[in-house]
Amino acid sequence: RKEVEQDPGPFNVPEGATVAFNCTYSNSASQSFFWYRQDCRKEPKLLMSVYSSGNEDGRFTAQLNRASQYISLLIRDSKLSDSATYLCVVNTGTASKLTFGTGTRLQVTL
Amino acid sequence: EPEVTQTPSHQVTQMGQEVILRCVPISNHLYFYWYRQILGQKVEFLVSFYNNEISEKSEIFDDQFSVERPDGSNFTLKIRSTKLEDSAMYFCASSVQGVLRTGELFFGEGSRLTVL
Repeated sequence: RKEVEQDPGPFNVPEGATVAFNCTYSNSASQSFFWYRQDCRKEPKLLMSVYSSGNEDGRFTAQLNRASQYISLLIRDSKLSDSATYLCVVNTGTASKLTFGTGTRLQVTL
Repeated sequence: EPEVTQTPSHQVTQMGQEVILRCVPISNHLYFYWYRQILGQKVEFLVSFYNNEISEKSEIFDDQFSVERPDGSNFTLKIRSTKLEDSAMYFCASSVQGVLRTGELFFGEGSRLTVL
C-alpha cells in the first residue's frame, strides 16, 4: 500500500462548482497533515494544514479522520485560478521529512 | 518577500559526470532539505540538514549523493556520478523549524537535471 494515496484525476469542473479531493495514508503513526498546491512545472506551496477538528480557510475546508486514515479537501466556488495539482502531504513524526502523495489535478473551466 | 533561490535552473550532463546543484535558503531558516520530482511522478524526500549535519535521509540518497553547507549561506547537493534515472527536478527547501508542527516548507523554483 502506498504511503499516501490520491486519485490523480483530472477533475474538470466549471467555475463556481464545489469539488472535493480525498487522500488516504498508510502509517497510523502519522502526526501531521497538510495540503500543498503545485502549479504546472512549479514548486509546491503550502495551502493549509489539516487538523482533527477540521479547519477552513476562505473557500477551502480540510478535514482529517484518523480512524479511517483519511484526509479531504473541499473547494467551494471554484475559480479559474484554482486550476493546479493538489498534493496531500503527511508527516510521520520526524522533525524533518514530509511524504507527498502523487497529487490530484484540478482543471476549472469557464 | 524572502525566497529560496536555486541555480542552475536547468543542467544537462552526460552520464557518469558529477553535478552540483546550489541553493540559497531563506536567511533565518534553520532546516534545509532536498526533494526531487521525476517528471509525472510525486515529490520525493531526499535529505534534511540541520545544525550542520544530515538529520534524515531517504533510501534514494545513497553514496552517490552528498550535501554541504560550505559558507553559511549556500546549501549544495552533489551527485558524484550521474545516472539516467537521476534526471528529475530537484527542489531545495528550507523552514524555520522542523516540519512536525507547521509543515511549511519554502521551496525554491527547482533545478531541472537532464542526464544523457
